[in-house]
Amino acid sequence: DIVMTQGALPNPVPSGESASITCRSSKSLVYKDGKTYLNWFLQRPGQSPQLLTYWTSTRASGVSERFSGSGSGTYFTLKISRVRAEDAGVYYCQQVREYPFTFGSGTKLEIK
Amino acid sequence: EVQLQQSGPELRRPGSSVKLSCKASGYSITDYLMHWVKHRPEHGLEWIGWIDPEDGETKYAQKFQSKATLTADTSSNTAYMQLSSLTSEDTATYFCARSEGMTKFDYWGQGVMVTVSS
Repeated sequence: DIVMTQGALPNPVPSGESASITCRSSKSLVYKDGKTYLNWFLQRPGQSPQLLTYWTSTRASGVSERFSGSGSGTYFTLKISRVRAEDAGVYYCQQVREYPFTFGSGTKLEIK
Repeated sequence: EVQLQQSGPELRRPGSSVKLSCKASGYSITDYLMHWVKHRPEHGLEWIGWIDPEDGETKYAQKFQSKATLTADTSSNTAYMQLSSLTSEDTATYFCARSEGMTKFDYWGQGVMVTVSS
């Protein structure tokens, strides 16, 4: 199985600052169609996960431009610009390159 | 508006089974795959598998191959997951999630808590 390893954040992050979350995969997530199959989700307390980005960097419908995904191969980053209180929660990366789909262990973001 | 409405919390004895439902509204379930995901706070998120409600095709993570059974009823626009031979390891919140294509998990149910205890 592909192992997804996420980095930690220096919590709490002051409101208005930027935060970057890293995610590393044990295998390249590039598929033969040229796309890189990496999703990012935010799970707010007591809620279900919300898709933020897919194919590494494509923002999902309705997601703020403050969220930007980047990366290639096995190393990925989710940057959150000008963090707000509503951004608090646990962020997960997920590879959907091959079965079984696997998630990172999550990165908690706290806002000051 | 797309919504996935999951059934209420469940309490089961070890060794029993449980069937969870996920009723879709705002779209036809035959147009998208339905995935199921397990969440335990100390273990994070685990993908269980998907079902294509149009033809009943399924794909499971090997770990859940003998644990979960995914089905769908197109007449009620509802997907189901049955968990068998329950143990304390099955105590978790379970989410259904629709995917556009196979990989874009764009809508999620609210989750259902399953507690396995004697």
